[in-house]
Amino acid sequence: LAKTTQPISMDSYEGQEVNITCSHNNIATNDYITWYQQFPSQGPRFIIQGYKTKVTNEVASLFIPADRKSSTLSLPRVSLSDTAVYYCLVEGGSYIPTFGRGTSLIVHP
Amino acid sequence: DAMVIQNPRYQVTQFGKPVTLSCSQTLNHNVMYWYQQKSSQAPKLLFHYYDKDFNNEADTPDNFQSRRPNTSFCFLDIRSPGLGDAAMYLCATSRDQSGGYEQYFGPGTRLTVT
Repeated sequence: LAKTTQPISMDSYEGQEVNITCSHNNIATNDYITWYQQFPSQGPRFIIQGYKTKVTNEVASLFIPADRKSSTLSLPRVSLSDTAVYYCLVEGGSYIPTFGRGTSLIVHP
Repeated sequence: DAMVIQNPRYQVTQFGKPVTLSCSQTLNHNVMYWYQQKSSQAPKLLFHYYDKDFNNEADTPDNFQSRRPNTSFCFLDIRSPGLGDAAMYLCATSRDQSGGYEQYFGPGTRLTVT
């Protein structure tokens, strides 16, 4: 069971890049790292997933160092609509996906 | 569009009165999950199915049961709801339970217990 640790909250301003780091020291060989976004009163929404190195899609980038004990979600040029809770999950080999406390991101005008 | 559907979106039940929440998916995914999320807390996994195989989390109360009659549908039964069971209940699916497959979440059902 891979436990994750993230900052509880972060503040940013519109147009800035936001980086949220998650630590998962006991990640297993077959585990993937997945990030979800959740708005109030909605289900979480998949943002990005990776196994190692760097993954980029149309909304975010995910950086994973060689030891895979941490990962960083990078949101380029955030807007007010990016205000949400962001969860890092370790899923796969060790299974039993467990949500940590998540990071509450507030984007200010 | 393929999706995860939860009905109803809002459910009010009385203390001790059984209630059933439903989830359906058009994704044809093998795995279905039920999570409980209380206010300002992270989602907590209650149980999941891999196909017909049921997996109950160790700390899920016996008051909570689940059924998956076919690939598309999954139900959460709360036999005797207490005030502490008021929460958002989230259903999710994934193609497989091995690595590399993300979860797709429904919009949730908010349960109120009076």
